[in-house]
Amino acid sequence: DAMVIQNPRYQVTQFGKPVTLSCSQTLNHNVMYWYQQKSSQAPKLLFHYYDKDFNNEADTPDNFQSRRPNTSFCFLDIRSPGLGDAAMYLCATARRGPSYEQYFGPGTRLTVT
Amino acid sequence: AQSVTQLDSHVSVSEGTPVLLRCNYSSSYSPSLFWYVQHPNKGLQLLLKYTSAATLVKGINGFEAEFKKSETSFHLTKPSAHMSDAAEYFCVVSDLGSARQLTFGSGTQLTVLP
Repeated sequence: DAMVIQNPRYQVTQFGKPVTLSCSQTLNHNVMYWYQQKSSQAPKLLFHYYDKDFNNEADTPDNFQSRRPNTSFCFLDIRSPGLGDAAMYLCATARRGPSYEQYFGPGTRLTVT
Repeated sequence: AQSVTQLDSHVSVSEGTPVLLRCNYSSSYSPSLFWYVQHPNKGLQLLLKYTSAATLVKGINGFEAEFKKSETSFHLTKPSAHMSDAAEYFCVVSDLGSARQLTFGSGTQLTVLP
């Protein structure tokens, strides 16, 4: 019954070693979001896709990239992770409509060593 | 521009007593308002939403919230706290019809004491 799935749930990577986080959805929603959430903080939007249209937040570092090969999948690539990139990464989806109610996945906890 | 202020960073209640988590918002347009709950190391779960219909909104797990335009508030309440309610709660505002204008409050950590 899982609707927004994130893999892996926990990821450990080394400083500077590229890492990819995965998100998939069974809701057929046309909007997908990636958030970064650090400890005791609110989620911070990195970017979102409206269908295939990519929308980057102005303050998202160039180190963060994303791909959406189809409606169901979306990837977050961190090209050269730094210690400051250790965080929970949340994927969310929404259907086009008046409220864009977002459905969140369980998150991937990224540790950088 | 829109903003959300959660007035309490931490709230402690005893099990079985009422819960009140306060949220004030600012929005230029007709907003959608949401409350999300986040348990440790988990994603966010939608508790309830307001989208310009009834001002008293009922959500899951016995939570409800009332949209008060004159006070620009959207406080979350529950008549009787349960131990499982202990979590982080986020009030969120979204401009109607916008895919990206989702603004989170800073969160309120709810502790439920036995």
